[in-house]
Amino acid sequence: TQLLEQSPQFLSIQEGENLTVYCNSSSVFSSLQWYRQEPGEGPVLLVTVVTGGEVKKLKRLTFQFGDARKDSSLHITAAQPGDTGLYLCAGVLGGTSYGKLTFGQGTILTVHP
Amino acid sequence: DAMVIQNPRYQVTQFGKPVTLSCSQTLNHNVMYWYQQKSSQAPKLLFHYYDKDFNNEADTPDNFQSRRPNTSFCFLDIRSPGLGDAAMYLCATSDRRDYNEQFFGPGTRLTVL
Repeated sequence: TQLLEQSPQFLSIQEGENLTVYCNSSSVFSSLQWYRQEPGEGPVLLVTVVTGGEVKKLKRLTFQFGDARKDSSLHITAAQPGDTGLYLCAGVLGGTSYGKLTFGQGTILTVHP
Repeated sequence: DAMVIQNPRYQVTQFGKPVTLSCSQTLNHNVMYWYQQKSSQAPKLLFHYYDKDFNNEADTPDNFQSRRPNTSFCFLDIRSPGLGDAAMYLCATSDRRDYNEQFFGPGTRLTVL
């Protein structure tokens, strides 16, 4: 059973389009992180959300944490080829003391010029 | 710049020949993690050190061992690599002030011949 369901698994779009990636769970997370990973490199932390209902913006990227802290979304506006990569959501389950991450399955995003 | 460094970036070994991967960090973080990541999948936690305390995941094979001689360094030993152990190995760190955020190294790509 996957604790954190990430969708879609694959996304292939044209430059300039908008997209949203979702992470959903039946469990409550004390925080949720979004990472981006390029081929052959380690994941790079994009954002951490900790408060239910929180919205954070990073240039063209908007991150939202659900009110109940069970889900999150990543929205990219006007996608560019440089946004191509593997996007991972990862959460820390409530009650975990040392920050063990539960990962979603990942979304492979390809943005075509 | 403070960072997580992994050496080597690419490692080729033979079936059954022991191999050691290394990780160092200049972040002075007290927790260090080792993950295994197979192609386009989410990272899978193998084990972590909370300071000097070693914590093994229940499904990590005995073939994988780890050492942390000091705060800055952590090693992953694979005693008898099999073909199924070919993967990207990621080291990550987090700090007692905010365990929610993990910072990953660039990874070591292991090939088993």
